[in-house]
Amino acid sequence: KQEVTQIPAALSVPEGENLVLNCSFTDSAIYNLQWFRQDPGKGLTSLLLIQSSQREQTSGRLNASLDKSSGRSTLYIAASQPGDSATYLCAVNRGAQKLVFGQGTRLTINP
Amino acid sequence: NAGVTQTPKFRILKIGQSMTLQCTQDMNHNYMYWYRQDPGMGLKLIYYSVGAGITDKGEVPNGYNVSRSTTEDFPLRLELAAPSQTSVYFCASSMDPNYGYTFGSGTRLTVV
Repeated sequence: KQEVTQIPAALSVPEGENLVLNCSFTDSAIYNLQWFRQDPGKGLTSLLLIQSSQREQTSGRLNASLDKSSGRSTLYIAASQPGDSATYLCAVNRGAQKLVFGQGTRLTINP
Repeated sequence: NAGVTQTPKFRILKIGQSMTLQCTQDMNHNYMYWYRQDPGMGLKLIYYSVGAGITDKGEVPNGYNVSRSTTEDFPLRLELAAPSQTSVYFCASSMDPNYGYTFGSGTRLTVV
């Protein structure tokens, strides 16, 4: 059974710092991995999607990496801003409509 | 372009009552999904549909029913509400699951 774990559960950093969020998964047979952002009381916004054949994807200040062999993905946020405060979820696509989510990391950026 | 629209945004039910959570999308996506999110947890798949007239169970289907009579709509039905169904419910759609999903803003349901 695929399990997805995100550590830490919560993270608080001062504005301007670079930071890394971690996501690990137990079964390397995946189609892709997706990072989402969730604001309080809102839905999920897709940030980055990495196909299983790719190593990383970049969008602005965000960079996501994927290492299937070790079952790990990281989301790197450069020059963090208070507006980056949210919960970040990773989800692994195993095919057959199976999108397995981690529990999320609640990120707070302090001005 | 509205994307995925869910109604209502909030609802309080009494134990044993029934209700339907509405979900509609205007992107002509074939794939639609219902997830629930409990506090501090990731999302879990309740039901999904790969096209009009086709539905299938996800990880946690007990206590729920769905239908997919049109491409646009995918309602989720709770027949006998229980406190364990207190959760936030998200609907999502996709043109191709290998290329990502679009989520609605959620329905926060409390059963008392």
